[in-house]
Amino acid sequence: EAGVVQSPRYKIIEKKQPVAFWCNPISGHNTLYWYRQNLGQGPELLIRYENEEAVDDSQLPKDRFSAERLKGVDSTLKIQPAELGDSAVYLCASSLYLAGTDTQYFGPGTRLTVL
Amino acid sequence: GQNIDQPTEMTATEGAIVQINCTYQTSGFNGLFWYQQHAGEAPTFLSYNVLDGLEEKGRFSSFLSRSKGYSYLLLKELQMKDSASYLCAVRDEMNYGGATNKLIFGTGTLLAVQP
Repeated sequence: EAGVVQSPRYKIIEKKQPVAFWCNPISGHNTLYWYRQNLGQGPELLIRYENEEAVDDSQLPKDRFSAERLKGVDSTLKIQPAELGDSAVYLCASSLYLAGTDTQYFGPGTRLTVL
Repeated sequence: GQNIDQPTEMTATEGAIVQINCTYQTSGFNGLFWYQQHAGEAPTFLSYNVLDGLEEKGRFSSFLSRSKGYSYLLLKELQMKDSASYLCAVRDEMNYGGATNKLIFGTGTLLAVQP
């Protein structure tokens, strides 16, 4: 079974430029998450989708970040414009609620460097 | 508030046993997860505890005491490949009838296994 797929793996941009990340979750997983992980820290949730609906976006900086999950499968996360402080690893995860639990499985992440 | 504490770093010897502790204070509790993360890679699921007690899975075991807000991950017969960061994460919400799943992560414990 294929895991969570993310692209690109690495991205280097200059500040004020836009950037987008793509995620394809595990087949059949209806819940999708975007996390940001700074160096030496644990992942922090940015947004969570149940199918096409964003059910928790309280930590998403909405002035510059946006996300979508069309058709309830793939998702994109966009930053426009990027700032120096956005340099981090952006992780996508997916899960399926089954038998009382819903373990999250992570993709390899996109390492963003903003210069 | 939400607070999860883990030691920042630990060192152990190949073949030995190591215990990584995690204490938490969250607004709610609906399960505790341990993930392993090698440098530059995605977090991978190790264990899940929702009831008090010990869960054993091969060389890895995880313990939970809800009354004490405490968990530990026990790694036996350490191997060099166990050198990684170990993340403790608490799920602190419950929505009856559907997925829950807001994970609060600790900063991770960087384990170095020496020959």
